[in-house]
Amino acid sequence: EADIYQTPRYLVIGTGKKITLECSQTMGHDKMYWYQQDPGMELHLIHYSYGVNSTEKGDLSSESTVSRIRTEHFPLTLESARPSHTSQYLCASSYGTGVYNEQFFGPGTRLTVL
Amino acid sequence: KQEVTQIPAALSVPEGENLVLNCSFTDSAIYNLQWFRQDPGKGLTSLLLIQSSQREQTSGRLNASLDKSSGRSTLYIAASQPGDSATYLCAVRSISGGYNKLIFGAGTRLAVHP
Repeated sequence: EADIYQTPRYLVIGTGKKITLECSQTMGHDKMYWYQQDPGMELHLIHYSYGVNSTEKGDLSSESTVSRIRTEHFPLTLESARPSHTSQYLCASSYGTGVYNEQFFGPGTRLTVL
Repeated sequence: KQEVTQIPAALSVPEGENLVLNCSFTDSAIYNLQWFRQDPGKGLTSLLLIQSSQREQTSGRLNASLDKSSGRSTLYIAASQPGDSATYLCAVRSISGGYNKLIFGAGTRLAVHP
């Protein structure tokens, strides 16, 4: 089972601040993902990566950006946070190329922008 | 475009009841379907993964079935316990979306009271 860590767990910041949400996994998974989840709503994929130096946008448009410089690290950055960015952000990772690969999720970061 | 719907949105039952959670999806061309559990303020825990060629999967008191042709899956929980209280999410890995992308339903919030 994968170990995935997200920091911070909770973040309350003011409008206009630059923030970075951290995600790290220790199992050497090649694929990593960021999902956004509003309360009581579905998770939506906003970014994913198939490996180092690979990043793609997901199905839900997002003003955030990501980078994948190391296999274990997949940070998400908001250059200028706004109240509309208030949500829960979940990171996940998986391994393998077959259809059997299973995604493992971190505990999430709950972001509130005032 | 694949859409996943979960019914009911919320469910409250007394301890000991057997219960069924429903998940439906609009595009039957899927690789697999996965059931997750989400506790408040936490990430997702994978419960069961059913491949498109399978009809059901079992883990302890949980049994998940899949009827791909009709676009439906059910999660059966036997002898429910207060510790089962959580939100249960259904997600499909759609062929049109690529095997690495999960499409989620909004979940069923389950409360099991003593």
